[in-house]
Amino acid sequence: EAQVTQNPRYLITVTGKKLTVTCSQNMNHEYMSWYRQDPGLGLRQIYYSMNVEVTDKGDVPEGYKVSRKEKRNFPLILESPSPNQTSLYFCASRPTQRKTYNEQFFGPGTRLTVL
Amino acid sequence: AQSVTQLGSHVSVSEGALVLLRCNYSSSVPPYLFWYVQYPNQGLQLLLKYTSAATLVKGINGFEAEFKKSETSFHLTKPSAHMSDAAEYFCAVSADTNAGKSTFGDGTTLTVKP
Repeated sequence: EAQVTQNPRYLITVTGKKLTVTCSQNMNHEYMSWYRQDPGLGLRQIYYSMNVEVTDKGDVPEGYKVSRKEKRNFPLILESPSPNQTSLYFCASRPTQRKTYNEQFFGPGTRLTVL
Repeated sequence: AQSVTQLGSHVSVSEGALVLLRCNYSSSVPPYLFWYVQYPNQGLQLLLKYTSAATLVKGINGFEAEFKKSETSFHLTKPSAHMSDAAEYFCAVSADTNAGKSTFGDGTTLTVKP
């Protein structure tokens, strides 16, 4: 089944404890992206990757890191989480880099709480 | 630069009534426009998209949207609401000249009353 998977689905952690949220897609998509969803703010783009080893900042990159060493994986790293990073996180992928008429396929989400 | 404005964070309709969710966009180049739906505790899934082929776009579950360049709008409609339509709906815009960026609206929560 074609899908985007995220792990973990739920995570409660404490301020300053490094964490990684994994994202993997099995559709051979070039483009991948991370979003956070907060009430009343919609989805805001954190980072995106046009292809392996190519990443760039979205609208809200502060406090986050990403890497794209393999085409299928795009982990989101919070090196020193803070309570304002408590949110619902979505990973998404799209078949092609440049053709943005292709829709994105979303993972199920990761609900992160930072105490 | 591109942006999306969804008018109305909450919309409530009765079952069987018309659904109208509003989306206005701003883009300096021809845009691609999308409507996604998010059911409770799930990720987003595509309802429909505008890719310049036709201004009236039909999607899944009886939804459709019309691209109006003069009004910079892409409103989502459904003639008759069903209880299962209750969800959050997001309008999004992208453009090939800025292929990495995807901009979403703030979302509209649709409630369907019996």
